[in-house]
Amino acid sequence: QVTLKESGPALVKPTQTLTLTCTFSGFSLSTTGMRVNWVRQTPGQALEWLARIDWDDDKFYTTSLRTRLTVSKDTSKDQVVLTMTNMDPVDTGTYFCARTYGSYAMDVWGPGATVTVS
Amino acid sequence: SSVLTQPPSVAVAPGQTATITCAINNFGRFSVHWYQQKPGQAPVMVVYDDSDRPSGIPDRFSGSHSGNTATLTINRVEAGDEADYYCQVWDFTRDQGMFGGGTKLTVL
Repeated sequence: QVTLKESGPALVKPTQTLTLTCTFSGFSLSTTGMRVNWVRQTPGQALEWLARIDWDDDKFYTTSLRTRLTVSKDTSKDQVVLTMTNMDPVDTGTYFCARTYGSYAMDVWGPGATVTVS
Repeated sequence: SSVLTQPPSVAVAPGQTATITCAINNFGRFSVHWYQQKPGQAPVMVVYDDSDRPSGIPDRFSGSHSGNTATLTINRVEAGDEADYYCQVWDFTRDQGMFGGGTKLTVL
């Protein structure tokens, strides 16, 4: 069974750096074609794709936040980490990690981590 | 502004058919994926690669893609289908993921 779960601080102050961890099971990020995405949703708004890291360590970021985001993986721990610098109240929302394998669809999602910037 | 354009809302009566469109511009060939999100929950993939349905998703859900428009169709709509629905593509020209603005499906 494939599962993902996000963890990190529920509250950060403006200008601080947010670090979120996605811990997964049921698959390996060493497997060819495996990818993990980060997606966020600010209150009342649509889903927003943030970043992706692939099995071969390729990394992709949304243009609007590229300078603030870093994604990395620890294959031995089955974890993917997202950092976002210079947090602002407008970054308040729910952050999801989601797997992509084969297709570019996100087939399994974590429950999300709620982050408040205040 | 999003380059995937969805109607903000769709309303249908139980038992009827709901059609949700996703207009896509400025892309080449691509596949469209659809997600259902209920309040307070994570999204769930309901259609991938334009028209494939993952296991566990009722066959009432179907997808199609013609030209620059993708469509999610929900037949015999039930009260439990009430949710927000999002289309999504991977933009290979910019190497970025993209979501539509979402469509709120209301079951009357």
